Amino acid sequence: QKEVEQNSGPLSVPEGAIASLNCTYSDRGSQSFFWYRQYSGKSPELIMFIYSNGDKEDGRFTAQLNKASQYVSLLIRDSQPSDSATYLCAVNSGYSTLTFGKGTMLLVS
Amino acid sequence: NAGVTQTPKFQVLKTGQSMTLQCAQDMNHNSMYWYRQDPGMGLRLIYYSASEGTTDKGEVPNGYNVSRLNKREFSLRLESAAPSQTSVYFCASSEAGADTQYFGPGTRLTVL
Repeated sequence: QKEVEQNSGPLSVPEGAIASLNCTYSDRGSQSFFWYRQYSGKSPELIMFIYSNGDKEDGRFTAQLNKASQYVSLLIRDSQPSDSATYLCAVNSGYSTLTFGKGTMLLVS
Repeated sequence: NAGVTQTPKFQVLKTGQSMTLQCAQDMNHNSMYWYRQDPGMGLRLIYYSASEGTTDKGEVPNGYNVSRLNKREFSLRLESAAPSQTSVYFCASSEAGADTQYFGPGTRLTVL
């Protein structure tokens, strides 16, 4: 069973701070990694994807990948109340499917 | 472009009733998926269709059937609904297997 683990939270950060969300995965063969944001009562929406080791930045968001440690993270700089949501980590688990973590709830106040 | 659409948005069924959830995408994607999301369980894959004409079981297929009607449409059928199938159902699509998936708005199903 391929697994994706996330701390369920909630992770509480003050407005303007950096939020750090973490994810570990079990399948060493995974090649694609995604972060989705899900507001309460809404569907998941893609924030970022990353395929290569290192950092990938998009605006206030930075995804970090370390394949040797099987670890993916998402940093949110200058956190805003509108960033309060559940963040889902997803990892490809074969040619055709993704495996999702259970998500980390982020609260910014 | 509407993206991924799902009908209905809400549904209440009695135990033993049947129903079909509809999903359509207008992005010319090859792959389509059905998930259910329950509190504390995350998104769990029910069935998927890697390409038109193929369907495969996911993590939790029992009690469900699917039909890939054409490239645009992928339906999920509950033949005899059970209270354990109370959940939020999401359809998603992607251009190819492990690419970015785009989600529909979801269907909230309650089985009494």
